[in-house]
Amino acid sequence: DTEVTQTPKHLVMGMTNKKSLKCEQHMGHRAMYWYKQKAKKPPELMFVYSYEKLSINESVPSRFSPECPNSSLLNLHLHALQPEDSALYLCASSPYGQGADEQYFGPGTRLTVT
Amino acid sequence: DAKTTQPTSMDCAEGRAANLPCNHSTISGNEYVYWYRQIHSQGPQYIIHGLKNNETNEMASLIITEDRKSSTLILPHATLRDTAVYYCIVTRGAQKLVFGQGTRLTINP
Repeated sequence: DTEVTQTPKHLVMGMTNKKSLKCEQHMGHRAMYWYKQKAKKPPELMFVYSYEKLSINESVPSRFSPECPNSSLLNLHLHALQPEDSALYLCASSPYGQGADEQYFGPGTRLTVT
Repeated sequence: DAKTTQPTSMDCAEGRAANLPCNHSTISGNEYVYWYRQIHSQGPQYIIHGLKNNETNEMASLIITEDRKSSTLILPHATLRDTAVYYCIVTRGAQKLVFGQGTRLTINP
C-alpha cells in the first residue's frame, strides 16, 4: 500500500458545526503533515507530527485542532470555522520526518464553510 | 530556507524534453533542492531531490550547477499527463516544505 487516503473528499459545514478530517497511511511512515491550499495558491504547511508528537505548528488558529492517535492515522478537528477557511486540505506522510525525506500527499479534502 | 525563483509558465511539445529552471542563489551548504508537481485537482507528487550531485530516477533528472545557485529539472520525453504546476523547493529540513508559486508547465500535442 503506497498511498495516503483522506476522507471525506468533500465537506460542507456551517460556521457553528464541528467536523473532522481523516488521513490514513499504511506505509510505516513516522511523520505526517497537514497543509491548507487556497484556490490558485500553493500549499501552506499547517502542522507536522513526528513519531506521533506534534513537532511543528505554523501558528494555526485554535479552531483547527490536529490529533495523531497512532502512527497511521492523522485527524484534523474543525470547530467554529470562518468562510475564509474554505480550502483544499491536504495530508502528507514521510518515512522519517527528517533529513532528505520525501513527502507523499493524499488527494485532499475540499472544505466549504458556509 | 533559501528562496527560489521559477518562471511563471512554460510550454513544451509532447515527446520533447521539458527543461524547468530554478534559481536559488542564496542556498546554503546543507540545503537540499526538491521538486514536486501538482496536477490539477490532485495532491502534490514528489519527483526528485538532490544536494550537490546530479540525480536521475524513473520520472526525471535533476541537474544542479557546480555553485549550487541554480538547478534544472528535466522530463526527458514529456507527455500530456506531465501538464502540471512544478515546484522547486530548497530546504534544510524535509519537514518544512515551503511551496512558492511554481511553474505552470503545459505540454502541447
